[in-house]
Amino acid sequence: EDQVTQSPEALRLQEGESSSLNCSYTVSGLRGLFWYRQDPGKGPEFLFTLYSAGEEKEKERLKATLTKKESFLHITAPKPEDSATYLCAVQAGNTDKLIFGTGTRLQVFP
Amino acid sequence: KAGVTQTPRYLIKTRGQQVTLSCSPISGHRSVSWYQQTPGQGLQFLFEYFSETQRNKGNFPGRFSGRQFSNSRSEMNVSTLELGDSALYLCASSPRRTAIQETQYFGPGTRLLVL
Repeated sequence: EDQVTQSPEALRLQEGESSSLNCSYTVSGLRGLFWYRQDPGKGPEFLFTLYSAGEEKEKERLKATLTKKESFLHITAPKPEDSATYLCAVQAGNTDKLIFGTGTRLQVFP
Repeated sequence: KAGVTQTPRYLIKTRGQQVTLSCSPISGHRSVSWYQQTPGQGLQFLFEYFSETQRNKGNFPGRFSGRQFSNSRSEMNVSTLELGDSALYLCASSPRRTAIQETQYFGPGTRLLVL
C-alpha cells in the first residue's frame, strides 16, 4: 500500500537555527512528490514539485531534495514567519490523487 | 489570476442533514479534486473530476458524492451527516493539459461542523 511518513511530528527552532524535515515514501511508480505549507485555518499553499531522484529546488530559505526513498525540506536560517505545518504528498501509479503525510508542525521562535 | 474559491467558508449542520459545498477552480483549470482534513486522519482524498467525469474515488462511503459542471466548477454533497464528518473540506484544481503530473492548487477550504 502506498504510504507517506513525515518526521518529526513537531519541531521547535530558534530564529536562525537551520534544520531539515523528512518525508519518506513507499509507493508504486512515483509520478511526483509535492511539498505544501499550511497555516492554521487555511488551505495548503504549494511550495515545490519534485519528479525524479537527485532533483533539488529552492525558494528563499527553503530547499527541497529527492531520493528514491525520501525527500528533505531544508530550512536555512528560519524566521518566525516560517512557522507553519509542512505537508508532503506523493502521486503514484496511474492515479492523480495526492497521498499526504501527516505533516511536520514547525515553530520558529525569535 | 484568482485562486481556487470555496463556498461557504463555514457551515454548521446537525446529524442526519445533508450539505452541499461548492468549488470554483482557477480559471483554465479543468481538474478538481476534493480532500477531507481532520486532526486524526490528516488529508484524505475524496474524489477527482475532469471534464465532468469522476476519474478517481477515495475510500469514503457512498454518502459522499460530487459532480462537475461544464465550466469546471464542482460541488460535493454529503448526505445523512454524522458527527465524524466534521472536518475541513478542501478543493484543489490543476490544469490537466498533459499526461505529466501537474501541481494541484488548494482553496481555503470549507469548515464543516456537525452537531
